Amino acid sequence: AQTVTQSQPEMSVQEAETVTLSCTYDTSENNYYLFWYKQPPSRQMILVIRQEAYKQQNATENRFSVNFQKAAKSFSLKISDSQLGDTAMYFCAPGTYGGSQGNLIFGKGTKLSVKP
Amino acid sequence: SQTIHQWPATLVQPVGSPLSLECTVEGTSNPNLYWYRQAAGRGLQLLFYSVGIGQISSEVPQNLSASRPQDRQFILSSKKLLLSDSGFYLCAWSRRRAGELFFGEGSRLTVL
Repeated sequence: AQTVTQSQPEMSVQEAETVTLSCTYDTSENNYYLFWYKQPPSRQMILVIRQEAYKQQNATENRFSVNFQKAAKSFSLKISDSQLGDTAMYFCAPGTYGGSQGNLIFGKGTKLSVKP
Repeated sequence: SQTIHQWPATLVQPVGSPLSLECTVEGTSNPNLYWYRQAAGRGLQLLFYSVGIGQISSEVPQNLSASRPQDRQFILSSKKLLLSDSGFYLCAWSRRRAGELFFGEGSRLTVL
């Protein structure tokens, strides 16, 4: 079975500082996508960043970047210059074809609090 | 542009009553559609997905069912709700398998 592990249930960071959220997953596939989603208190799930497994270059989206280690099956999210609006639950979700008929499997999430 | 809407946003139902949550997608055709449930403090659990009209796959045995009567409409139902059905339900769509999911606003169900 495909598994996703987010080992940090909760984290906090001071405003303007940098924080890294970890994610590891299990797959035997070679080509797949990985996603980080954000769920603010409003509860709507919002895509933060995506990474194609065949690309060696790590994806970046403004203040958000990933450290993708394919061999280690690790996909961490780095948030730079943290803002109060970054306070949310963050979910890692690999999209592997072998997992649940090719559907995304979500980790249990990391609750991030950005403190002023 | 594509949009997804689900309703109602909030629902309080007694045990044993029926349920119907509806989700519609606009601006795309033949989407993959999904129902997820999120229990308090936990991740997302995939309940159902559909790759076409009338094609429903269930991920977990449960008290719920899903239907797709039209290409862009996905309905989550129950004939008799249980206390354990309480949670936050999210509808989502994607263009393809293992691809990016686009989520609706969610529906909070409380069964008393």
